[in-house]
Amino acid sequence: QVQLQESGPGLVKPSETLSLTCAVSGYSISSGYYWGWIRQPPGKGLEWIGSIYHSGSTYYNPSLKSRVTISVDTSKNQFSLKLSSVTAADTAVYYCARLINSGYDYGWFDPWGQGTLVTVSS
Amino acid sequence: EIVLTQSPGTLSLSPGERATLSCRASQSVSSSYLAWYQQKPGQAPRLLIYGASSRATGIPDRFSGSGSGTDFTLTISRLEPEDFAVYYCQQYGSFPITFGQGTRLEIK
Repeated sequence: QVQLQESGPGLVKPSETLSLTCAVSGYSISSGYYWGWIRQPPGKGLEWIGSIYHSGSTYYNPSLKSRVTISVDTSKNQFSLKLSSVTAADTAVYYCARLINSGYDYGWFDPWGQGTLVTVSS
Repeated sequence: EIVLTQSPGTLSLSPGERATLSCRASQSVSSSYLAWYQQKPGQAPRLLIYGASSRATGIPDRFSGSGSGTDFTLTISRLEPEDFAVYYCQQYGSFPITFGQGTRLEIK
């Protein structure tokens, strides 16, 4: 069964870059699917950040595109998120997830990692 | 961008009752590309429904999804104690992927 696990610093200073990694087990990223990042500010709803294919093809939420980079490392079976120039508004639980689609759509998320809280504060 | 509006914001019901949650889109959702998720406190969201009406693996049949175009519904036929949670809809037919703001289902 596919499992995902986020890791990275829980505290990031304003204006710095947030970096997270999602380790995938039970499935080889090289075999297919898109993989994505979603975030959830405390007490609020969900926001899609971006997605990546094993080939490295990416697409990002336009609201964050200028600050987001998602990359994949198939040798380690993991993918990563970098979000630059962070502010307090970027404080959130960050989730990674697999996307499943029919080939004509952008996909639904299943399964999800447990999430990791990242706080932006000096 | 497709905006998804969920209603009601909070739904108070008792175990055994029927729950009806609504998700309305600001424009038509292509080919019913809509999913529903359940989220309990401190946990990640869990996929319930995709394609507007297809249950995900392992989801009890008391959960059902329906709708098309701009109006979608998640129905829980008989509420179990473990069903009280927050529910989100998500559209994946148009770029960018968007989520509704959630409906909190609480015990009355």
